[in-house]
Amino acid sequence: DVKVTQSSRYLVKRTGEKVFLECVQDMDHENMFWYRQDPGLGLRLIYFSYDVKMKEKGDIPEGYSVSREKKERFSLILESASTNQTSMYLCASSYDPGSYEQYFGPGTRLTVT
Amino acid sequence: KNQVEQSPQSLIILEGKNCTLQCNYTVSPFSNLRWYKQDTGRGPVSLTIMTFSENTKSNGRYTATLDADTKQSSLHITASQLSDSASYICVVSSSGGSYIPTFGRGTSLIVHP
Repeated sequence: DVKVTQSSRYLVKRTGEKVFLECVQDMDHENMFWYRQDPGLGLRLIYFSYDVKMKEKGDIPEGYSVSREKKERFSLILESASTNQTSMYLCASSYDPGSYEQYFGPGTRLTVT
Repeated sequence: KNQVEQSPQSLIILEGKNCTLQCNYTVSPFSNLRWYKQDTGRGPVSLTIMTFSENTKSNGRYTATLDADTKQSSLHITASQLSDSASYICVVSSSGGSYIPTFGRGTSLIVHP
């Protein structure tokens, strides 16, 4: 079975802190994604990556950056956390971004105070 | 712009009853449609995936239908159980241009004993 793990289930950070969210997948998938999920808004794509060191902006990249140094690991970085970045963050991976299933991690509930 | 609309936004039913969730999409050209189940505090998990040529697909008590002409899909849950309480998300992928799937905002289902 595909396994996608995220570094933390719950995280509390202060405004202005630099925050790292890490995601690791064990199925050698080419493509990895970061979403945030807010009540009433559904999942919104922040960034995705289709290869090592490659990244593409999603729908809401402002305030975020990403890093993919190794195929299995995709990190989301909040350079200076703000309260409006309080959300559930979900990482996903897939073999083919268009046709194949996305496998999601358990999510990280981030609270910025 | 590709869009996926789900209805109802929320639904409350009694255990043992059936229900149907709706998904309308404007994604074109169409590649496939997936239904995900997301338990509270967890990442989404795929229930079914349907391609253009498939009209109906079942996964236990879950049956998905697809009408590619009207661009509508439904997810029917038979003999609901308390464990069916979750958010159900419709996701549509396009075969042209962008390989990023389009997510609906989900239907929140609560099953009461």
